[in-house]
Amino acid sequence: AQKVTQAQTEISVVEKEDVTLDCVYETRDTTYYLFWYKQPPSGELVFLIRRNSFDEQNEISGRYSWNFQKSTSSFNFTITASQVVDSAVYFCALRESNFGNEKLTFGTGTRLTIIP
Amino acid sequence: NAGVTQTPKFQVLKTGQSMTLQCAQDMNHNSMYWYRQDPGMGLRLIYYSASEGTTDKGEVPNGYNVSRLNKREFSLRLESAAPSQTSVYFCASNIEEVDTGELFFGEGSRLTVL
Repeated sequence: AQKVTQAQTEISVVEKEDVTLDCVYETRDTTYYLFWYKQPPSGELVFLIRRNSFDEQNEISGRYSWNFQKSTSSFNFTITASQVVDSAVYFCALRESNFGNEKLTFGTGTRLTIIP
Repeated sequence: NAGVTQTPKFQVLKTGQSMTLQCAQDMNHNSMYWYRQDPGMGLRLIYYSASEGTTDKGEVPNGYNVSRLNKREFSLRLESAAPSQTSVYFCASNIEEVDTGELFFGEGSRLTVL
């Protein structure tokens, strides 16, 4: 069965510091997809990134970067020069490759607080 | 640009009452999902519908029923609400391409069962 572990329940950093959110996953599939979602205080869930298991290239989008390492089953998320607007709960999620069965398994989330 | 719309956004029930959460999407997605979010538990899948006319149980289906009324609408019913069903409920739909898997979420429905 697939599983996603986000061991960091809460993190607080001072604005402009860098912060890394950890995500470790378990799956028996060789083809799978990993996601990060952001849930700001307003409550909606916002898609940030998708990565498939064949692509281990790191990705950078502005201040956000993601490090995917199959060898350690990790998909970590780093925010550089954090800002108050980054305060949110961040969820890592996993989807296995079953065609027509696109349900996601979510981690328990990491609450990130950026202190001004 | 409605996306996924859920109603109601807030509801308070007494134990034993019934209610239905409504969800509609206007993106012509085949798949729709109901998740619940509880503190420290993340999002857990209740039921999903891979296509119109089909529904399947997720991780925590007990105490719930669903109906995929048509391609747009997927409702979640609590027949006899219990305090353990106090939660925030999210409806989601899936973009068409298989290899993306991105879910589009509604704004959530906060349910309190007294």
